[in-house]
Amino acid sequence: QSALTQPPSVSGSPGQSVTISCTGTSSDVGGYKYVSWYQQHPGKAPKFMIYDVTERPSGVPDRFSGSKSGNTASLTISGLQAEDEADYYCCSYAGNNILVFGGGTKLTVL
Amino acid sequence: EVQLVESGGGLVQPGESLRLSCVASAFSLRSQWMHWVRQAPGKGLEWVSRISSDGSFTSYAESVKGRFTISRDNGKDTLHLQMNSLRDEDTAVYYCVRSMWASTPGDSWGQGILVTVSS
Repeated sequence: QSALTQPPSVSGSPGQSVTISCTGTSSDVGGYKYVSWYQQHPGKAPKFMIYDVTERPSGVPDRFSGSKSGNTASLTISGLQAEDEADYYCCSYAGNNILVFGGGTKLTVL
Repeated sequence: EVQLVESGGGLVQPGESLRLSCVASAFSLRSQWMHWVRQAPGKGLEWVSRISSDGSFTSYAESVKGRFTISRDNGKDTLHLQMNSLRDEDTAVYYCVRSMWASTPGDSWGQGILVTVSS
């Protein structure tokens, strides 16, 4: 099972919006609603940000939102803040009882 | 505060075995799915394995199938990962993850434990 495809890096200025894509196939992202997103600051454990494509766990700011179109899921961060600078990973159920992560995207806040 | 604490990591030679453990404080693991996720140095996250709340269902990434075994002791609120026939490419920080869902590594992550496989 291949990793999901994410852009290596994205950037934006404070207050702007950025979108991180996560592209898979009809066997993973496109085939199930089980797409989740994680934020990881350097040296820290990942933090759970989005599940079931669009749902936010309690405590996650509503500046973070998820969506999906076909085989591509997206994480949008609006009103960008300095503390949003981190690595972001998507994850999807891929059938056959396997989960797969994306390669990760480094977000830089300019 | 929910905390998951991994233990059992360290340096081993290729072909050797290691057993990781994960215990929870401030809550019980018994009703939760549990996952192991790993991260090689400087690399991205990789899902490794999952186990149902009662331990009756398990699944593995192809890269570890047949070598790793996930298990849990609900009486002791502990999760394990038995890792056999270790390879250089198994070198990573291993995280245990609590989840309400089977197909989503969920809301609580341990701090991670480093496993280094090297001769």
